[in-house]
Amino acid sequence: ETGVTQSPTHLIKTRGQQVTLRCSSQSGHNTVSWYQQALGQGPQFIFQYYREEENGRGNFPPRFSGLQFPNYSSELNVNALELDDSALYLCASSRDQANTGELFFGEGSRLTVL
Amino acid sequence: KNEVEQSPQNLTAQEGEFITINCSYSVGISALHWLQQHPGGGIVSLFMLSSGKKKHGRLIATINIQEKHSSLHITASHPRDSAVYICAVSGNYQLIWGAGTKLIIKP
Repeated sequence: ETGVTQSPTHLIKTRGQQVTLRCSSQSGHNTVSWYQQALGQGPQFIFQYYREEENGRGNFPPRFSGLQFPNYSSELNVNALELDDSALYLCASSRDQANTGELFFGEGSRLTVL
Repeated sequence: KNEVEQSPQNLTAQEGEFITINCSYSVGISALHWLQQHPGGGIVSLFMLSSGKKKHGRLIATINIQEKHSSLHITASHPRDSAVYICAVSGNYQLIWGAGTKLIIKP
């Protein structure tokens, strides 16, 4: 069991709505990365936050945004939800930006957009 | 060609068999991770390697930096080992993921 928790675990939204997903980091980890995993696919990198700043971003539009707080917990916000946003959203915390240490993943937030 | 290639994609074996999953990569890396994902989604880190070999219980992971290749071995496999095993490499700030190997161990 890791020290990373995500909430909510499941949620259903409709097209056009907005959603906020939350992630608490492993103690002592200052880096959090968010991934989107569509059903049957591998995880896709959304972005990484390091010490409250966005440190890198994958191929996701600006309606995907994030925050990292001083306690290193993090939020992923998605605006103007589309059907294709339905996926499992995973966060992973690490002790450094290059992910050279052990990674700790949350159980994920499963988002369904109707 | 993907930057991280795993083989096989699917593997079914009998309980007790020795399992090997391979991972090859074509980019420079700072570390390689072996991860396990069970149905339902949660991902667990099994190993982080930058050189050599690591062992944890029945699991062994090796990496050859010169050949850009890593293997994950499971000895005395058990049905509870059934999961998707993913190789991911650390580039700059993001992980580059392999497609995963779906392992089924039959009793």
